[in-house]
Formats: sequence, C-alpha cells, structure tokens
Amino acid sequence: GQQVMQIPQYQHVQEGEDFTTYCNSSTTLSNIQWYKQRPGGHPVFLIQLVKSGEVKKQKRLTFQFGEAKKNSSLHITATQTTDVGTYFCAGLPEGTYKYIFGTGTRLKVLA
Amino acid sequence: DTAVSQTPKYLVTQMGNDKSIKCEQNLGHDTMYWYKQDSKKFLKIMFSYNNKELIINETVPNRFSPKSPDKAHLNLHINSLELGDSAVYFCASSLSGLRTTNEKLFFGSGTQLSVL
Repeated sequence: GQQVMQIPQYQHVQEGEDFTTYCNSSTTLSNIQWYKQRPGGHPVFLIQLVKSGEVKKQKRLTFQFGEAKKNSSLHITATQTTDVGTYFCAGLPEGTYKYIFGTGTRLKVLA
Repeated sequence: DTAVSQTPKYLVTQMGNDKSIKCEQNLGHDTMYWYKQDSKKFLKIMFSYNNKELIINETVPNRFSPKSPDKAHLNLHINSLELGDSAVYFCASSLSGLRTTNEKLFFGSGTQLSVL
C-alpha cells in the first residue's frame, strides 16, 4: 500500500542548532502538507507545497518539495525551545483525495 | 470560540464497555474526519463524512460506528471496547474535502481513550 515515511523518528538538538526532517513517499504526490503537534496537543497545519521543486519559508522554517514530487523536507534554523513537538508530513497520492500522514519526527530542544 | 471541539477530553473505561466521543465544528466546513493516533504517534484516518455522507471508511473493526446527524457534527461510537483501542482519537474538519486537493485539516484537541 501507499506509505509515507519520515526520518529521523526522534531528534534531540541543543537550542540554537539546526534541525531537518525528511519525508519520503512510495508514490508520486499531488501535494504535501506539514503539520506540527506540540506535546499533549493536536496537529496544526503549517504549510502546503504543490509544485515540483517548490521551496517555501516561514521565518526560521524552510519547506521543500522534491523534483519528483515523492519527497519533502522541513528545515528549522537555530532551533528554539518553542519548536519542540512532533512534525508530520501528509502526502496526497496522485489520483486520490485522501492524505496519508507520515510517521512523524519528534523534536526535543535542550536549553 | 473553539473551531473543532470534541468531548470528552479523557475517557477511562473497562474492557467490553460501549462509549461515544462527540465532535462539533463551527467553521462551516463540509467534511469531517476521525483519526486515531497510537502510542507511537502514528496518525491513521478512520472515517470521513462529507455533508453527512460517508466517503472514507478505512479498515476499521465494525465495533466502531461513526454517525453524522448534520454536517457540523460527527460522533464516534465504539462497542465492546478492547485494550488495543486505547489511543488518542482526533476529530478534524476541512472546507470541502470531496474531490479536492488543496485543503488543510483543522483538528480538535483529541480524546485520550484508556481501556483497562
């Protein structure tokens, strides 16, 4: 079946270090979304990428969609303690209308 | 005002019991969803309703029965609860959700279900 994997599963960083999570789909995607879930909270939409090779920035966060539209990445520059949480990608396989959530990357930021 | 609200926030119950979780959204969205998040944080879609009509029904035991009395409400009833049902259940909504590829999900705050 269609799968969306994320690596790493866990990441601990010192405050101020950079962080990247990668999302890989077994099939080509129409688009990809990213969500953040704080500890004890619910997933909150961050961004959507649609075009091949697209790059979007939100302050310290940079999102990229691969040229083949099968992978994506989220990069956080100079992490802060407020970045703690689990980051999920959610891919929409071409020809379908159901998003498949990635396995998530749990980020811990040590002050 | 909370956009997507679900109750209860915590639910602790014995094996074999029947329980319900309620969800309401005040965003005027047409589509609502139930997701299950297990202890490893994996998020899996269970059901989706568009304007009270079931459009996504994943491989979920038939002990789980969703009900949508109107497009602003989607409840989840679970019969004969089992230990493996313990998880966080999230309700979500999206503007249209039907044959569209450009919509974000708005999640409720979740219901932590613990089956003892």
